[in-house]
Amino acid sequence: DAKTTQPTSMDCAEGRAANLPCNHSTISGNEYVYWYRQIHSQGPQYIIHGLKNNETNEMASLIITEDRKSSTLILPHATLRDTAVYYCIVKRMDSSYKLIFGSGTRLLVRP
Amino acid sequence: GAVVSQHPSWVICKSGTSVKIECRSLDFQATTMFWYRQFPKQSLMLMATSNEGSKATYEQGVEKDKFLINHASLTLSTLTVTSAHPEDSSFYICSAKGQGANSPLHFGNGTRLTVT
Repeated sequence: DAKTTQPTSMDCAEGRAANLPCNHSTISGNEYVYWYRQIHSQGPQYIIHGLKNNETNEMASLIITEDRKSSTLILPHATLRDTAVYYCIVKRMDSSYKLIFGSGTRLLVRP
Repeated sequence: GAVVSQHPSWVICKSGTSVKIECRSLDFQATTMFWYRQFPKQSLMLMATSNEGSKATYEQGVEKDKFLINHASLTLSTLTVTSAHPEDSSFYICSAKGQGANSPLHFGNGTRLTVT
């Protein structure tokens, strides 16, 4: 599975959009981009995933560049409860299903 | 949505004793579950893949005789930390894949183990 690179930390103001980037320049055609987040002392929470089209759900939007070498997770109106570590993971949709977590981005939402 | 329940949420045990952690998929069947461990300020580390009705697959460096995994039903996997030592103190998290080819992994809320 392709390696990802994320900034170590970011911050944004409450109510503003939080844009979390992820580089995955070695991604292959059958690999999906997954985003999870982990709030302190809790298990990871699934946010969104996509292959090549942009995706949106009730939590966030996922924008994948046309060459698929990078993506951005957008939290449109960040709240204090969105403070968490956000993980971008690239993997094939195959039978193994296991996820390998990198270091992620620690997002701090400021009041 | 798919819910994964983990029990207990925290446990304190004495060195040398064994501790069992349960992971249940509440509203779906999970033929495969995964166990992770997380030390403070570190990322999640995959320990093993738990397969219903068969032996677990352990990641390199994880002692299978120390971390016993049983996946006896489609909704329950257990992790037993045998002869626990203080260095086993960690946050243990399980996950299960939802039903459907495109379903993501869903995670439990973790178990904080402290070995004294």
